[in-house]
Amino acid sequence: AQSVTQPDIHITVSEGASLELRCNYSYGATPYLFWYVQSPGQGLQLLLKYFSGDTLVQGIKGFEAEFKRSQSSFNLRKPSVHWSDAAEYFCAVGAREYGNKLVFGAGTILRVKS
Amino acid sequence: DSGVTQTPKHLITATGQRVTLRCSPRSGDLSVYWYQQSLDQGLQFLIQYYNGEERAKGNILERFSAQQFPDLHSELNLSSLELGDSALYFCASSVQGGSYEQYFGPGTRLTVT
Repeated sequence: AQSVTQPDIHITVSEGASLELRCNYSYGATPYLFWYVQSPGQGLQLLLKYFSGDTLVQGIKGFEAEFKRSQSSFNLRKPSVHWSDAAEYFCAVGAREYGNKLVFGAGTILRVKS
Repeated sequence: DSGVTQTPKHLITATGQRVTLRCSPRSGDLSVYWYQQSLDQGLQFLIQYYNGEERAKGNILERFSAQQFPDLHSELNLSSLELGDSALYFCASSVQGGSYEQYFGPGTRLTVT
């Protein structure tokens, strides 16, 4: 079965500090990988995506993520966090072989200390 | 703004009732997906339509049904509502039926009392 694990439910970082949110997946096929962000009461906004090619992908708002096939990971990073980054972050995986649905992780809530 | 619209934003109804949630995809997108977000289950895929036809089904209850109309908007019908159906229901759209990026609407918050 396909699964996505975000091991950290909550993370707190100081404003200006670097950030890494972890995501591991278990898939029997070549995955497509996504990170979404959800602010309170809002929908999900796509931050970045990986389909193929360069394993380091750049997204919006200064985020990047690196696909590591050997570790089945797709961790999200940002070099300097801003207070407005406080939100919930979801890693999601899809694959043609498993239909078109996205399987989401449980999410990581990011708190930013000023 | 993703370009996906959903109505209504909020819905409060009683157990046993039936409601309809509406979604308009981004211009040009043929595929519509429905997801349910709840505290205990997280984000779960319900169903997908592509150009009017059902393409994939997930953890959708038999009490729930959906359709996509010729103008590509979609409706999710929830009937015989139970307290446990209270959740955020998201619609997403993508250009094609494959695992391309999906763009999410703002969601409909359903509260069943």
